[in-house]
Amino acid sequence: SAVISQKPSRDICQRGTSLTIQCQVDSQVTMMFWYRQQPGQSLTLIATANQGSEATYESGFVIDKFPISRPNLTFSTLTVSNMSPEDSSIYLCSVERTGSSETQYFGPGTRLLVL
Amino acid sequence: QKEVEQDPGPLSVPEGAIVSLNCTYSNSAFQYFMWYRQYSRKGPELLMYTYSSGNKEDGRFTAQVDKSSKYISLFIRDSQPSDSATYLCAMNSGGSQGNLIFGKGTKLSVKP
Repeated sequence: SAVISQKPSRDICQRGTSLTIQCQVDSQVTMMFWYRQQPGQSLTLIATANQGSEATYESGFVIDKFPISRPNLTFSTLTVSNMSPEDSSIYLCSVERTGSSETQYFGPGTRLLVL
Repeated sequence: QKEVEQDPGPLSVPEGAIVSLNCTYSNSAFQYFMWYRQYSRKGPELLMYTYSSGNKEDGRFTAQVDKSSKYISLFIRDSQPSDSATYLCAMNSGGSQGNLIFGKGTKLSVKP
């Protein structure tokens, strides 16, 4: 399985600021994904990040709020912009399982609290 | 109706018990079914992966899929305190990477 790390592991931020979350994988992967896990809710896909192309956003998520970079095959960032308390959540990156694009491995998550 | 329904629990059992965790779904196009285990303050860990209907066993864990009933289950035999975690079901129809649809998760506590 892929080894995925995320930075920061947690943060407390002020309303109106932005936070960039980094995701690093120990092997080259084509697809990287960003999810949000809110308390008591299902994991929800924010966007899919392919290297060399624009990220694809799911309904309800926009690039201005969640800009994503994917500069190479092992790294991606998600920025949560102009934060409000409603953005308090766990943000997770994932990669597709080698040889099985139908499932994914997840990173440890970034726990964000917005005051 | 949500695409995937999962009882959030919490579910508390004594050590050694057989645990049954379940999800129902509404989209008949789902073909790939997964169970993830998530310990507190950790990311989800892939536990079981099943394609279409049938059973799959891995040690103390058995995953069952009944597509006719749109119902999936995860059984844990001889449950251990280390099994205490939140269990998430997930599924997709294949061919569209990233479209994993998750249940809300069931929080399991195994008491020594």
